[in-house]
Amino acid sequence: ELKVEQNPLFLSMQEGKNYTIYCNYSTTSDRLYWYRQDPGKSLESLFVLLSNGAVKQEGRLMASLDTKARLSTLHITAAVHDLSATYFCAVVNYSGYALNFGKGTSLLVTP
Amino acid sequence: NAGVTQTPKFQVLKTGQSMTLQCAQDMNHEYMSWYRQDPGMGLRLIHYSVGAGITDQGEVPNGYNVSRSTTEDFPLRLLSAAPSQTSVYFCASSPRRHARYEQYFGPGTRLTVT
Repeated sequence: ELKVEQNPLFLSMQEGKNYTIYCNYSTTSDRLYWYRQDPGKSLESLFVLLSNGAVKQEGRLMASLDTKARLSTLHITAAVHDLSATYFCAVVNYSGYALNFGKGTSLLVTP
Repeated sequence: NAGVTQTPKFQVLKTGQSMTLQCAQDMNHEYMSWYRQDPGMGLRLIHYSVGAGITDQGEVPNGYNVSRSTTEDFPLRLLSAAPSQTSVYFCASSPRRHARYEQYFGPGTRLTVT
């Protein structure tokens, strides 16, 4: 059974600081996704990582994938309040399409 | 394109009632799926479909039924609602072949079972 674990589950950080969210998964998978969710809203796609060593960056967020270690990271650089949200990683399961999600990391960026 | 649409946005049911959550997409996507989101649990897969006439169970299928008679629609039926089915339900779709493998999520349906 494919398990996806994120840590930390809660993160409070000051503006301007850097931090990393970790996503571990238990079995081989072809693709890994990162999503952002604001309260009461749907999921917004951030990154799709397709291969070992993949690195993608958008603004203050950078995601990477190590398929050998079954680990993805979401690095936040110089956090700003607008980044406050819940971040999910998700991994494609045996179906080749549907996703198994982590429990999410609730991020709060404070002044 | 409207993308992925879900109706209703909110629903309150009494225990034992049945209802159908609607999901539609106008992007001609082959893949569609249903997830439920509960506090602290992330999203969990209920059912998914890889094309019209083909469905399969996900992680938490009990109490739910699906069918896929057209490419566009993928309704989720609650056969006899229970309080444990109080949740936010998301529908998603994706094309079979896509350079970026994007998955598109609907706005969600918030269901309360009393």
